[in-house]
Amino acid sequence: QSVLTQPPSASGTPGQRVTISCSGGSFNIGDNYIYFYQQIPGSAPKLLIYRNDQRPSGVPDRFSGSKSGTSASLAISGLRSEDEAHYYCAAWDDSLRGWVFGGGTKLTVL
Amino acid sequence: EVQLVDSGGGLVQPGGSLTLSCSTSGFTFGSSAMSWVRQAPGKGLNWVSTITGGAGDTYYSDSVKGRFTILRDKSKNTLYLQMLSLTAEDTALYFCARQGGGGPFDGFDFWGQGTMVTVSS
Repeated sequence: QSVLTQPPSASGTPGQRVTISCSGGSFNIGDNYIYFYQQIPGSAPKLLIYRNDQRPSGVPDRFSGSKSGTSASLAISGLRSEDEAHYYCAAWDDSLRGWVFGGGTKLTVL
Repeated sequence: EVQLVDSGGGLVQPGGSLTLSCSTSGFTFGSSAMSWVRQAPGKGLNWVSTITGGAGDTYYSDSVKGRFTILRDKSKNTLYLQMLSLTAEDTALYFCARQGGGGPFDGFDFWGQGTMVTVSS
């Protein structure tokens, strides 16, 4: 059971917009930044969004992040086949004194 | 260019020990917080341990506290994870990750390729 809650799966067709939610609590998302990662099977995770809504250089602006209270979401617009991957949210937890991850969302591009 | 290269994984018997290494380059190693994150086969990501930049304060998940030790050698720009009393539940792909600042709560911005640890008799 992960501390952060994500839907196990999501799907969309090319060109569509999909959102992936991440729900937590006051000690993690409520008090700290949220981060989102993309992991293609067989590869290391890649940083997509940092500090709630910032994109590292090289990440397309089709990817966006937002946070409200103890929840956050990752939005992907203009869905492409190469976006098919697992997506994870993460945050520091002040109570656990460590990092917590969501269970991951498998995105399928139909 | 930031590079992280994980090594040291392998097959170990239950109760055994292993030390993982993460060789780094392209950034000021001693100033950056570094972490280990693991992923059991077919499962999600789980944080293991963090060492902060500067003072080198350490943090551990409850599942490894007292058995694992995170270390760094600034002269070699290398991060280590000493693992003792290994159990089957420690079987996973272990990633080292750089954090975007010196503190423990800066997120992971670069990751190694991972090294596989299998605990089995």
